[in-house]
Amino acid sequence: QKEVEQNSGPLSVPEGAIASLNCTYSDRGSQSFFWYRQYSGKSPELIMFIYSNGDKEDGRFTAQLNKASQYVSLLIRDSQPSDSATYLCAVIKGNNNDMRFGAGTRLTVKP
Amino acid sequence: SAVISQKPSRDICQRGTSLTIQCQVDSQVTMMFWYRQQPGQSLTLIATANQGSEATYESGFVIDKFPISRPNLTFSTLTVSNMSPEDSSIYLCSVEMGTSGRDDSQETQYFGPGTRLLVL
Repeated sequence: QKEVEQNSGPLSVPEGAIASLNCTYSDRGSQSFFWYRQYSGKSPELIMFIYSNGDKEDGRFTAQLNKASQYVSLLIRDSQPSDSATYLCAVIKGNNNDMRFGAGTRLTVKP
Repeated sequence: SAVISQKPSRDICQRGTSLTIQCQVDSQVTMMFWYRQQPGQSLTLIATANQGSEATYESGFVIDKFPISRPNLTFSTLTVSNMSPEDSSIYLCSVEMGTSGRDDSQETQYFGPGTRLLVL
């Protein structure tokens, strides 16, 4: 079982719709969870992090965490073509700052 | 966050040669990391480079192949030695820093722009 799993996609949504990206992790001791966006040919950039159960909103982005189900998601409201990118889920295990990345989900927002 | 630069941004190398990649950050950081990202794949951690100690390598990566230096808190190098075409990849450095300007600051990683390596 992979430590961090994501659907590779591609996920295609129309402009203005909600894009839902999902991630599961295997280590119950994981404490912090991150979403990175990576445009083609560029390096990953941090979008959001979450470490408490529930929802966390930042502009058009909402991160959701359910530790009991070992599940974290990212919702993008009012999706724009500029949101088209690969979204990487990352998890820090325990207290040693050991960050593990999922394979990423490729999102396409169609005008 | 931090301003992170990498040199070279890209290179084409011959089999059997070595390439040293530099990573420079504009502030002092304790932890720096080196990743590899092959086309269409996610990030694979090569090693963690802490100043004042030997780098810690992940399973499948060895010091003889990927020697790392960390002479101070703002700089690190990764050398890809005795290269083969299988080493063709993007190599990324990252630094661990707190997210700035937020009440709920969290230590996370910020990435350099990457070095695109093609080995012929």
